[in-house]
This record gives sequence, structure tokens and C-alpha cells, in this order.
Amino acid sequence: GAGVSQTPSNKVTEKGKYVELRCDPISGHTALYWYRQSLGQGPEFLIYFQGTGAADDSGLPNDRFFAVRPEGSVSTLKIQRTERGDSAVYLCASSLQPGREYEQYFGPGTRLTVT
Amino acid sequence: GDSVTQMEGPVTLSEEAFLTINCTYTATGYPSLFWYVQYPGEGLQLLLKATKADDKGSNKGFEATYRKETTSFHLEKGSVQVSDSAVYFCALSDSAGNQFYFGTGTSLTVIP
Repeated sequence: GAGVSQTPSNKVTEKGKYVELRCDPISGHTALYWYRQSLGQGPEFLIYFQGTGAADDSGLPNDRFFAVRPEGSVSTLKIQRTERGDSAVYLCASSLQPGREYEQYFGPGTRLTVT
Repeated sequence: GDSVTQMEGPVTLSEEAFLTINCTYTATGYPSLFWYVQYPGEGLQLLLKATKADDKGSNKGFEATYRKETTSFHLEKGSVQVSDSAVYFCALSDSAGNQFYFGTGTSLTVIP
């Protein structure tokens, strides 16, 4: 079956602009996670959804970052007033249920470059 | 807070050599521990996991044992192959399993 997909695969934007990154999880997966991976680093947790609600958004770095999952499937990560420091690969993962018993399946990521 | 410290790379080995990648963790409660692998051009994949102390995770010839006394989860393989060339990430999840913490990754290159 289809895995987690993310669009776009690459996004180049100018400093100060607004961007949206999309994640399509595996069908039927209730839990969805966003991570940010900077060069040479491991993925850093941003936010986690259980269904439509953000169950834990403690990893969002500041209020310029926001994510939604209105119908409990597709999720969009939104970044306002982008800064050069936001440049990274943004990863999405989904799992059948939340919790450490369930494997997270990762998408290929969106590489965001802020110029 | 919870964290993972992983052996820095890159690591270069000859085919059939023994592999160890060290990973230690800091956590409260009872975390689960994971190794993820990222092959060139692909996304992260779960390699193995262990959910409680003394558990051994294994897959594709790789093994790691959850050692609570040394707070470690070292990855080992007895005989590496060229196809094992990838970046390996150690990770832990908090007790609730809602947040995952990753190490910085170790790049492995296996030469024939």
C-alpha cells in the first residue's frame, strides 16, 4: 500500500514569506507526527496529532509555526514570516495508534530552503 | 529532559567486519528505545526496537540490547555488507510514546 507522502519535495522561499507543507499519512493511521531535521542532526520533534487534535505541540519552536489536521487525515504545517534558520528537512510520520508500541512510518520529507 | 547521545561518525568498515554503534540515553520513567536506518535517497525506516529493560531487538542481522544499568542501547552486527551502508539513528520515546528523541545519526560506509 501507499506510504506516507509529503509535498512538495523541495521548497525554496524568500525570507519573510509564508509556506505550507503537506503530509498525507498512511490510510487509517490515527497518529501523525511532524519533525524537523537540520543538516547533520537527527529529527527533532515538533508536534503530534491524535485524530484531528494536536495532542502535543511542545516542540514547535515559536508562534510562527502552526499545524492543522482538520479531517484527521492530511496535515499541513504552516510557517509564517520564514527565517533563514527555518531551512531544514521537515519530516512527517504516521502510526496506526499513538504510543511506543506502534511503529512510526516516515515520509521522504520536504526540504525547505529560505533565502 | 529526555535525550539520546550517539557515537559520531562517519564509520567506514570493510565487508564482513564487526559493527558497533554506541548509543546512550537519558530519560525519566520507562522509555522505549529504537534504531532507525536511512538508506541513501530513502526515508527513515525502523530497524529494531526494545520496549523494556533487558529486551533485545533484532532485525536483518542487527541486534541491540536495552541496558538500564548502563543506560545504553548499542547497535551491533557481526558481519556487515555493502548494502548496510546508510545513516543509523538511535531514538527513544517517552513513557507515553508521544514524543520521540533522536540522536544525531551515524553514517556507515561498508567497502567491498
